[in-house]
Order: sequence, then structure tokens, then C-alpha cells
Amino acid sequence: AQSVTQLDSQVPVFEEAPVELRCNYSSSVSVYLFWYVQYPNQGLQLLLKYLSGSTLVKGINGFEAEFNKSQTSFHLRKPSVHISDTAEYFCAVRSNSGGSNYKLTFGKGTLLTVNP
Amino acid sequence: NAGVMQNPRHLVRRRGQEARLRCSPMKGHSHVYWYRQLPEEGLKFMVYLQKENIIDESGMPKERFSAEFPKEGPSILRIQQVVRGDSAAYFCASSTGPNEKLFFGSGTQLSVL
Repeated sequence: AQSVTQLDSQVPVFEEAPVELRCNYSSSVSVYLFWYVQYPNQGLQLLLKYLSGSTLVKGINGFEAEFNKSQTSFHLRKPSVHISDTAEYFCAVRSNSGGSNYKLTFGKGTLLTVNP
Repeated sequence: NAGVMQNPRHLVRRRGQEARLRCSPMKGHSHVYWYRQLPEEGLKFMVYLQKENIIDESGMPKERFSAEFPKEGPSILRIQQVVRGDSAAYFCASSTGPNEKLFFGSGTQLSVL
């Protein structure tokens, strides 16, 4: 079984400031890690994913995340945010082996609000 | 190429009524997944279907909930005799295979009065 904790339910920042959205996970098996973004009135869209290899993963819209196995974390970062980044961000994991590895386990989400 | 289409976008039902939520997967996708997001919670897996088959319904409540994905037409999530606790956002996703990239719909917000 897996669980995902997103430590901040809301993160307000000013435009052009850096941002970090935190995600910690718990799992008894190896996992793949994902960040999804949901813009208002839209479906979830994949931002980036970690499957294997380099622990620093780059995604769309200038976002990146770093997988830290020892801390079981997968924090999302962007060095300079835009107003258009205002959205809900979800961290998710799924097992990378076994019969039910299609199931995603999501965190509760972090609402990022970028103010002018 | 249209994305995953869910309708209705908003659905209001009174306690005891039935709710039918529809999901049309992306073209070429034969795998459909339903997730539910209760208020203040993350999305939770409900059911995984392929055409005409339920592969995994381990996340579905045992009573009142059912899902289907017929050979023709959209996938349907059906909730009978709705209660206030069923109020949630229901998301559908589709893929070309169980380990392939998921594409999500915009969700159906169900409100039970």
C-alpha cells in the first residue's frame, strides 16, 4: 500500500518568485512518482514523472522535481512563477511492479496561487 | 483529437435518486479508470475497465455503485439511491494500456441535496 502527503494545502506566492511544493510518500514497494496539474475547469494534466535514472526530472512549463529516496520525497520546484501557473497541483505514486501497478495514489493537492 | 470527455460537468441529485456519469475515452483508448475526489481529499481509485470487462473494482463501494464500459458507447458510472456522502468530483481517465500514460477528463461534480 502507498500513501502520499502534500504538506501544504495552499501556497500563495508573488509573480516571478520561486516556489516549492512539497510531497512525501510512503510505500512498501518501489514506486514511480508523478506530478499532475489541474487548471480551473480542466482535467488533470501530467507535469512530469520519475520512472528511473536521474533523480532530477524536468517537466513542462519550467517545472522540475527531485526524487530523494532516503527522504521519500518528490518536491516540485519552479524558479520563477507566472500568474498562469495558478492551479491545483497533485503528487501521485504508483507501484512499478505487481498486478495492480496501474493504480495511482494521490495526495490531497496543493493550491498554488500566484499574485501580481 | 478530442481528449477524455466527461458529462455532465455538474450533476445535482436529491437523496434517493440515481446518478449516471458518462466518460468517453480518447480515440484509440480501450482502458478506462474512474477516480473519486471527496472534499478535502486526494483522488481515490474506484474501478478499472476495458471494453466490456471490469478488471479491478476494488475501490468501488460494495453497494449502490456500478460501472460499465460497453463495446459501443461511453463508460458509465452509476450510483443508485444517492446519499449526501456521495457528493464529490468524479474523474475518468483513459489510456492505451494499463501502464501507459493516463489522460484525465475534466470531471463531473456530483452534488446531492
